[in-house]
Amino acid sequence: QQQVKQSPQSLIVQKGGISIINCAYENTAFDYFPWYQQFPGKGPALLIAIRPDVSEKKEGRFTISFNKSAKQFSLHIMDSQPGDSATYFCAAAGGTSYGKLTFGQGTILTVHP
Amino acid sequence: NAGVTQTPKFQVLKTGQSMTLQCAQDMNHEYMSWYRQDPGMGLRLIHYSVGAGITDQGEVPNGYNVSRSTTEDFPLRLLSAAPSQTSVYFCASSYSTVYTEAFFGQGTRLTVV
Repeated sequence: QQQVKQSPQSLIVQKGGISIINCAYENTAFDYFPWYQQFPGKGPALLIAIRPDVSEKKEGRFTISFNKSAKQFSLHIMDSQPGDSATYFCAAAGGTSYGKLTFGQGTILTVHP
Repeated sequence: NAGVTQTPKFQVLKTGQSMTLQCAQDMNHEYMSWYRQDPGMGLRLIHYSVGAGITDQGEVPNGYNVSRSTTEDFPLRLLSAAPSQTSVYFCASSYSTVYTEAFFGQGTRLTVV
């Protein structure tokens, strides 16, 4: 059972556009929601993370929006660049599963120049 | 500072063979974990450890064994390899289990024929 559902599976945007990736979770005990970025042949690396005490967190061109009542969160990449082309994973942890990250299925982002 | 080091990077096994995937970290992290990454399924937790001598099962533990004799090392053993274990395996470590970044190794691509 996939406790974190991620969409879309793949995304193609033009340079300068906005990339949006959405995730939905089921476990209401989750209270830590990181996003990981993975380049081909590399391990995932933390991009940005949020806790549900805030509805939005911004770091540079990357923003997480969080909707606790809907149990949804999303990653927005502003002014997308070809160097942002990678696979993005949302994840969640909390309650009895601290440290045990539950990942979404992943989104392959391609940014065309 | 090497971070999380996994060996080997690539491995081909025959069905029924056993092998050990090595993972070492030099950040003095207490928490370590193993994930497998399969297309369209994200990363799924196999086993994890909250410190030397303490291990527990994750979401997909069958066919795998772990031990943690030191803080630095967390090897993953495949007891009798099966084609269903063809995957990319990632080891990760973090300072604690709560709200902290997980650092991933570069992965081991395993093919079982």
